[in-house]
Amino acid sequence: ETGVTQTPRHLVMGMTNKKSLKCEQHLGHNAMYWYKQSAKKPLELMFVYSLEERVENNSVPSRFSPECPNSSHLFLHLHTLQPEDSALYLCASSQGQGVEKLFFGSGTQLSVL
Amino acid sequence: EDQVTQSPEALRLQEGESSSLNCSYTVSGLRGLFWYRQDPGKGPEFLFTLYSAGEEKEKERLKATLTKKESFLHITAPKPEDSATYLCAVQEINKGGSQGNLIFGKGTKLSVKP
Repeated sequence: ETGVTQTPRHLVMGMTNKKSLKCEQHLGHNAMYWYKQSAKKPLELMFVYSLEERVENNSVPSRFSPECPNSSHLFLHLHTLQPEDSALYLCASSQGQGVEKLFFGSGTQLSVL
Repeated sequence: EDQVTQSPEALRLQEGESSSLNCSYTVSGLRGLFWYRQDPGKGPEFLFTLYSAGEEKEKERLKATLTKKESFLHITAPKPEDSATYLCAVQEINKGGSQGNLIFGKGTKLSVKP
């Protein structure tokens, strides 16, 4: 198993659908993150969880709902998305929340029709 | 105004042609500067962390340096397998002394032709 695994790799959904992205880390890390990567834009931090508690929510619309049931798993629940939400969604983990390097998954490429 | 600016946006090199990528930043207090490599269809992969001006780190054909305003990623005699997007990110010290989250640049897309 690779360090950080994301499923699905690709997702196409309509604006009225509900779907979930899954992330699992096998590194024993304590912090997990959701990032959004759009073309021509820097990575945008969406959510941070440390020891399964949300510590950061960067003003993300409520149509994105994160869930962290334990330190190894992270979900991003999606509902009534907009076409501008189409992007690569990356999950990452780190040992702590200090000056720590992030380990990223390969991402879920999301297209909203 | 962007806090992290990378240049150039894209760089095309011939195999063996050395060059440098630039990352300039404007944060009040730097806790750390990170370089990542991202291949198409994959997430970013960690390369280096630099903490203070004057620090240098090397890995194979890559060497990262840091000043008080910018960082350079020097690529010596690149090979086609070095082709990727290189991302720079900074972590600043927030007011009160706590660390902030990473602020990423838009990246430099490097293509190395044989």
